[in-house]
Amino acid sequence: SQQGEEDPQALSIQEGENATMNCSYKTSINNLQWYRQNSGRGLVHLILIRSNEREKHSGRLRVTLDTSKKSSSLLITASRAADTASYFCATQRSGNTPLVFGKGTRLSVIA
Amino acid sequence: ETGVTQSPTHLIKTRGQQVTLRCSSQSGHNTVSWYQQALGQGPQFIFQYYREEENGRGNFPPRFSGLQFPNYSSELNVNALELDDSALYLCASSWDRVESEQFFGPGTRLTVL
Repeated sequence: SQQGEEDPQALSIQEGENATMNCSYKTSINNLQWYRQNSGRGLVHLILIRSNEREKHSGRLRVTLDTSKKSSSLLITASRAADTASYFCATQRSGNTPLVFGKGTRLSVIA
Repeated sequence: ETGVTQSPTHLIKTRGQQVTLRCSSQSGHNTVSWYQQALGQGPQFIFQYYREEENGRGNFPPRFSGLQFPNYSSELNVNALELDDSALYLCASSWDRVESEQFFGPGTRLTVL
């Protein structure tokens, strides 16, 4: 079963705009991770945020985590056509345990 | 490139047949996890192997089985294939740290006719 739910399911923006995706989950977690998937291929790890962290940055990515609301958001700033992909949040209950994925947000960045 | 490889890339089988999918872990990783991703869905956890032992299993029937070898490569076997088994099968390798990102292979696309 899915742990998380991403919102929106699909998002279409112009190049240069910011894209925000949200993720909600149900149970307590050790960490939350965001992955990107291009065209139904393998997933690429983007960023990991621990349960005791509130915000994390990596390049053009900014992730927030609110454990009281069991939610996270991923912000991609100054989007590019190459950012077009599906984005998944995944939770991990403790170290080296399976990831529990949401259904993903499909992002389209139009040049 | 994550260093995780999977074979074959694509596979077509018919109902009732058996299939074996293979995964080669990233160097130094001792854990392999397998996921099934149906079209338009997120990956669903099948099982995980740690140092050649099954270390957790998702909600999949026993006809889904696996192996991990001493070099930490892995196999996923599915018996008595059903139409609903059509999906992208992903393996991911990781290290047994407190927090571990998983490194995914490109996947095997299985079609059951």
